[in-house]
Amino acid sequence: GDSVTQMEGPVTLSEEAFLTINCTYTATGYPSLFWYVQYPGEGLQLLLKATKADDKGSNKGFEATYRKETTSFHLEKGSVQVSDSAVYFCALSDPRAWGKFQFGAGTQVVVTP
Amino acid sequence: GAGVSQTPSNKVTEKGKYVELRCDPISGHTALYWYRQSLGQGPEFLIYFQGTGAADDSGLPNDRFFAVRPEGSVSTLKIQRTERGDSAVYLCASSLEGSYEQYFGPGTRLTVT
Repeated sequence: GDSVTQMEGPVTLSEEAFLTINCTYTATGYPSLFWYVQYPGEGLQLLLKATKADDKGSNKGFEATYRKETTSFHLEKGSVQVSDSAVYFCALSDPRAWGKFQFGAGTQVVVTP
Repeated sequence: GAGVSQTPSNKVTEKGKYVELRCDPISGHTALYWYRQSLGQGPEFLIYFQGTGAADDSGLPNDRFFAVRPEGSVSTLKIQRTERGDSAVYLCASSLEGSYEQYFGPGTRLTVT
């Protein structure tokens, strides 16, 4: 079945550092890909999405490009802030099974001043 | 406006008991999702409603789990004969029909002793 694998955390880095969180997926079809974020004490919220190969999703300085050839959707941000400390989840949805979202295990990011 | 609400926020029950978890979605959202999240893991899909009907219940782990949404708004997840392995945070999300953007509630933490 479809699955998502993302790098384990915690990822600890200093303010203004470059952040990359790796995410790879396995799917038999052509899924849509997402990054969700969970800030401390809050519910999950959609950060960005890409619905087809080579699409780039972006929001709040974060970017991720849908790479079909490497089945990846890595999340990047050029200069993190303390407020970016959160747990980040990569997810996919197969259009043939609409509504059935598959999430990765999550990566905790800790940004220190 | 009001987000997705879930009640109770915490539930402690004894092994073998019956529990009901409630989800109140955002007004106007026709799609509703239930997930289960164990410690250190991402949300695991349980069931997806479109309106009153369960469009995909393939994630329900066994016949002890059941969910309803009789009027197309509030949903109840019902767990019979609870087991210690059912302990987790149960998340509810809702979305507009056809939208990828799910809005998550704060979750119900279920502990089975």
